[in-house]
Amino acid sequence: DAGITQSPRHKVTETGTPVTLRCHQTENHRYMYWYRQDPGHGLRLIHYSYGVKDTDKGEVSDGYSVSRSKTEDFLLTLESATSSQTSVYFCAISESTRTSGSSSYNEQFFGPGTRLTVL
Amino acid sequence: QQQVKQSPQSLIVQKGGISIINCAYENTAFDYFPWYQQFPGKGPALLIAIRPDVSEKKEGRFTISFNKSAKQFSLHIMDSQPGDSATYFCAASKSGATNKLIFGTGTLLAVQP
Repeated sequence: DAGITQSPRHKVTETGTPVTLRCHQTENHRYMYWYRQDPGHGLRLIHYSYGVKDTDKGEVSDGYSVSRSKTEDFLLTLESATSSQTSVYFCAISESTRTSGSSSYNEQFFGPGTRLTVL
Repeated sequence: QQQVKQSPQSLIVQKGGISIINCAYENTAFDYFPWYQQFPGKGPALLIAIRPDVSEKKEGRFTISFNKSAKQFSLHIMDSQPGDSATYFCAASKSGATNKLIFGTGTLLAVQP
């Protein structure tokens, strides 16, 4: 999994409790992403980071916050978990954008995932 | 609004057959189209990707066909094997600093021996 670990791998929690998921990389890649995966929706971007302390929202960011104080760690926090946040969460990393001609692209590498159940 | 539409949702193919998964996109600014393969309990892994300046890209048994005018692209798996049984996701992004990916909803492929 390209030097990416996620912790915990499984978590069961109750509605209203705070939850923090951790993504750790050993690749020194600049970009990090948090996705959630749900049946019928594929993977949807929650938040992403383009450097230490530089983060931005994705398409489903409501109810989530992130922090990145070090290059290697990207934390996803659910301030007050709800049942709708039951999902599998994936972290992804990307190296510096590759350039081909006038366009630039990145390749994202995914971690093993965290299965979160909110009761 | 689903920017990348993927079909079919599931697919059963006999060993040795051809698996075909289709995707359509809406945003003409997209210029990078990867396919990811995911096995149960694992994270998605990049399988193959294409840029819009070519109509086809082949890597081993896997081929992407791209139709820019129709805003469609597809994954073909030739000589499908039981080990290819997985969920496949198409995605799209537009070039830029962050290249955020927009994923399709996934296709569960089962290759029967």
